[in-house]
Amino acid sequence: QVQLQESGPGLVKPSETLSLTCSVSGGSISSYYWSWIRQPPGKGLEWIGYIFYSGSTKYNPSLKSRVTISVDTSKKQFSLKLSSVTAADTAVYYCASQRGDSPFDSWGQGTLVTVSS
Amino acid sequence: EIVLTQSPGTLSLSPGERATLSCRASQSVSSSYLAWYQQKPGQAPRLLIYGASSRATGIPDRFSGSGSGTDFTLTISRLEPEDFAVYYCQQYGNSPKTFGQGTKVEIK
Repeated sequence: QVQLQESGPGLVKPSETLSLTCSVSGGSISSYYWSWIRQPPGKGLEWIGYIFYSGSTKYNPSLKSRVTISVDTSKKQFSLKLSSVTAADTAVYYCASQRGDSPFDSWGQGTLVTVSS
Repeated sequence: EIVLTQSPGTLSLSPGERATLSCRASQSVSSSYLAWYQQKPGQAPRLLIYGASSRATGIPDRFSGSGSGTDFTLTISRLEPEDFAVYYCQQYGNSPKTFGQGTKVEIK
């Protein structure tokens, strides 16, 4: 299993863009689909979207207009950008991996992002 | 979008008891692409079951999954102290991938 580590600002102002990066170790970035998942405090899990190493993406329709996921294979990293954030976007953001039609078998530890002025 | 509804919301049991958690889908889940995760406070979810009934690597055999179509069950045969946590089901056969709202298994 790969190891994943999220990084990025813990505080973002309303209307700005949330940016996070996930660093991959212990495996090939070309072998997996790379997802972002979030969890508001005290609530359930929401899949945001995934990217394959080739750059192909799929997003949750509920967030599609505001989400961009990108990959940098040379750095073994993938990134999330979520624009026009509001307080409703406050959550723990996880990066996770899956192989094709499979569940999320590796997860990062998660990073709390708070949207507040 | 496939909506997953878990029941009960909270299960209050004692160590050694059997736990039965339910997950019902709003439409049939493709090829039984249904997984169960365990989440403890401050931790990421951990994969327990995939393909509705296959245990992930390192998962004790007291955890078992069953079901197909729209009705799925996670059973913990005898609860250990470390099993008290929140459990989520997830379908990964259709996009968007969706999770149930969770069942909390708490100590009675």
